Amino acid sequence: DTGVSQNPRHKITKRGQNVTFRCDPISEHNRLYWYRQTLGQGPEFLTYFQNEAQLEKSRLLSDRFSAERPKGSFSTLEIQRTEQGDSAMYLCASSSPGRTGNSPLHFGNGTRLTVT
Amino acid sequence: DQQVKQNSPSLSVQEGRISILNCDYTNSMFDYFLWYKKYPAEGPTFLISISSIKDKNEDGRFTVFLNKSAKHLSLHIVPSQPGDSAVYFCAARMDSSYKLIFGSGTRLLVRP
Repeated sequence: DTGVSQNPRHKITKRGQNVTFRCDPISEHNRLYWYRQTLGQGPEFLTYFQNEAQLEKSRLLSDRFSAERPKGSFSTLEIQRTEQGDSAMYLCASSSPGRTGNSPLHFGNGTRLTVT
Repeated sequence: DQQVKQNSPSLSVQEGRISILNCDYTNSMFDYFLWYKKYPAEGPTFLISISSIKDKNEDGRFTVFLNKSAKHLSLHIVPSQPGDSAVYFCAARMDSSYKLIFGSGTRLLVRP
């Protein structure tokens, strides 16, 4: 079990640039989630995939954000025309198939985005 | 609309004593509650969970208590160890949903 892997760990970009983050979930997990965490807050839900299907997208996400999970394996989160308010830790998590219940999410170590 | 609240941003406890972290929620439809621990520069890691049909779940030094009528849960750590120093997040989910909703966290410091 290599855990959830996220790349890059850190990204510094200038306002207006596009950025893309990658997440590799635990191999047998078919559920994949993106969360965002800002200082002093808990993780906030952004979007959810079951296999390759994106089943929910939070109201927090503007149309500058897009996520994909081709072939139901790794996922990418792209932010276009970044703004300073996008600065945050972006967390990816995965969970196993079956009843959701109290099945925990397994988080990666996140990508910290700084928009200057 | 903050459905899961952790009103204590920080807690300091002496090593060997009990740590009690509290969490309140507003949505009576939540079916499962989970606690996560987060160290700096790492993602949250799962600690312990409880179903709404139970009032207590124990795993080693960690026990979670659920009071549904008060919409309150707590995490007890006994005995506390310096390695327990981290930020603890309470999270909740409905059985019909895959979305986990987090509180804002409590920073625990266990003093040697």
